[in-house]
Amino acid sequence: AQKITQTQPGMFVQEKEAVTLDCTYDTSDPSYGLFWYKQPSSGEMIFLIYQGSYDQQNATEGRYSLNFQKARKSANLVISASQLGDSAMYFCAMREGPGNYGQNFVFGPGTRLSVLP
Amino acid sequence: GAVVSQHPSWVICKSGTSVKIECRSLDFQATTMFWYRQFPKQSLMLMATSNEGSKATYEQGVEKDKFLINHASLTLSTLTVTSAHPEDSSFYICSASPREGSTGELFFGEGSRLTVL
Repeated sequence: AQKITQTQPGMFVQEKEAVTLDCTYDTSDPSYGLFWYKQPSSGEMIFLIYQGSYDQQNATEGRYSLNFQKARKSANLVISASQLGDSAMYFCAMREGPGNYGQNFVFGPGTRLSVLP
Repeated sequence: GAVVSQHPSWVICKSGTSVKIECRSLDFQATTMFWYRQFPKQSLMLMATSNEGSKATYEQGVEKDKFLINHASLTLSTLTVTSAHPEDSSFYICSASPREGSTGELFFGEGSRLTVL
């Protein structure tokens, strides 16, 4: 079974608008971390935001926020005020267990976001 | 964030030759590094976990004799694609995490795009 599901293969958003990228996950481990990465066409993977399973508040990093709904096992990424440079692939990832040197990571299939001028 | 550097970014080689890709952690020591492979329009697939001073751990289905991994120091891991063939053409990307505990996020190198003629 897929541990990370991203149901939107592609998304379009108008510049300056907000967009939500969906991510659901599956784990029985009570301790886990959720991550979002951005991959532009150059190929590099850029870490955007992190949410721990025990965190009470939703994570925010600048224009990025993570809508964490633990009971529903969802961790949607919200990008506010989209910019043309936000066009990229976005991967949701989960680390099961405590954070030990990057072990036990699994990535979702990704969502390609296109920001329209 | 932590810096991981990968070299070369692009490599083109003839079928039957071997290619070495280097992954360096520039501002932290990495006892563990991870090698991923990514096919076009797909997610990252973990190939192997590189352990400093010991043998790498390969994922199921990854040929250890084809993809040689050496992690000789706390800042350098290398992936050698031996006797490369066109089907080995892909995007290879390494990653590492600088801290035990905490969030354990992965930081990635720039990636290496291999084309085997």
